[in-house]
Amino acid sequence: DTGVSQDPRHKITKRGQNVTFRCDPISEHNRLYWYRQTLGQGPEFLTYFQNEAQLEKSRLLSDRFSAERPKGSFSTLEIQRTEQGDSAMYLCASSQGQDSYEQYFGPGTRLTVT
Amino acid sequence: AQSVTQLGSHVSVSEGALVLLRCNYSSSVPPYLFWYVQYPNQGLQLLLKYTSAATLVKGINGFEAEFKKSETSFHLTKPSAHMSDAAEYFCAVSLSNFGNEKLTFGTGTRLTIIP
Repeated sequence: DTGVSQDPRHKITKRGQNVTFRCDPISEHNRLYWYRQTLGQGPEFLTYFQNEAQLEKSRLLSDRFSAERPKGSFSTLEIQRTEQGDSAMYLCASSQGQDSYEQYFGPGTRLTVT
Repeated sequence: AQSVTQLGSHVSVSEGALVLLRCNYSSSVPPYLFWYVQYPNQGLQLLLKYTSAATLVKGINGFEAEFKKSETSFHLTKPSAHMSDAAEYFCAVSLSNFGNEKLTFGTGTRLTIIP
């Protein structure tokens, strides 16, 4: 078991560009979560999936953000028309499903918008 | 709505001294509570969790936490600090009715160990 992986680890982009991040969960985990962490703060929930279904989205997830998990395995998080306020660490986590309360986190993707 | 409050954004203790990191929660239903640790440039690692079984929970690396409903607290302790404990610690809460859903995190406590 290699754990949750995220790609890329770092992304620098110019304001207005689109970016896409990928998360590969632990293979048998059917739930996948996205969080955002800004400097000096705890992670904030963005959205989560059970298999390919997106079950909840935070109000933090503006129309510029979209997440998918098309085959119930890996997930992508896209940010369109990036703004400087989008600069943050984007964390992905996975869990095994009902009755499993442990979320396993990946190393994160650090986004810097210049 | 659920929330957690971590008192003290920075805590410094001497090596070998007691570590105490404070967390208070607010939840309309019985909560599930977690402590995570984050080392620089790494993801979060689960230290321990409370899921309505024993109120005293033991985790990894010698840490433990006690759920006190009357005080709405879930403080993290370790009897003797080690240099390798220097990291950021996050308390988090999840609604027990659903268990395996979103975590709401506190703002974190940065632990510094003084040699």
